[in-house]
Amino acid sequence: AQKITQTQPGMFVQEKEAVTLDCTYDTSDPSYGLFWYKQPSSGEMIFLIYQGSYDQQNATEGRYSLNFQKARKSANLVISASQLGDSAMYFCAMREGVGSSNTGKLIFGQGTTLQVKP
Amino acid sequence: GAVVSQHPSRVICKSGTSVKIECRSLDFQATTMFWYRQFPKQSLMLMATSNEGSKATYEQGVEKDKFLINHASLTLSTLTVASAHPEDSSFYICSARLRDRGIANYGYTFGSGTRLTVV
Repeated sequence: AQKITQTQPGMFVQEKEAVTLDCTYDTSDPSYGLFWYKQPSSGEMIFLIYQGSYDQQNATEGRYSLNFQKARKSANLVISASQLGDSAMYFCAMREGVGSSNTGKLIFGQGTTLQVKP
Repeated sequence: GAVVSQHPSRVICKSGTSVKIECRSLDFQATTMFWYRQFPKQSLMLMATSNEGSKATYEQGVEKDKFLINHASLTLSTLTVASAHPEDSSFYICSARLRDRGIANYGYTFGSGTRLTVV
């Protein structure tokens, strides 16, 4: 069964510094997708970045980059130049398998609460 | 594009009443809708998967008679919390899977969530 683990319940970072949020996963499927979402206190889920299991390069989207280490089954999110507005809860998620049994559901990690200090 | 409108955003109801939450895809067809439940500071837990025109598939431990899901069309899915009790108080959020993942966000878009409080 697929599993996503985020081991950092809370993180602090100084404004303008970079921060890495950890995510490890476990799956036996050769094809999968990894997502990062930001959830501010309002509750909305904001898509940040996606990494496909066959993607050769690490994904980047503006200040967000994904440090994808396939052999170690990790997909850490790096936020560069942190801003006060980055304070939120961050979730790593994995899309379940492929083929006829693919339901496409996303499985979420426990989340990491990030606080950016001025 | 690819917006899911979820209503209501917040609801307070009395114990024993039923509450309906709607998720409507505004500019695309949602073949599949996922319903999640989230307690404060916790993860999103998948409750069920609904496909248009067929019965929902519930995750283990989710009471299908309490959480009634209907996906009558490609643009509307509803979650009804039947005979709600205080322990059902939570944040409920839907997520649509897009037919064309190129539309947005690699194939998934979320509603804005419903905060349910049962008193």
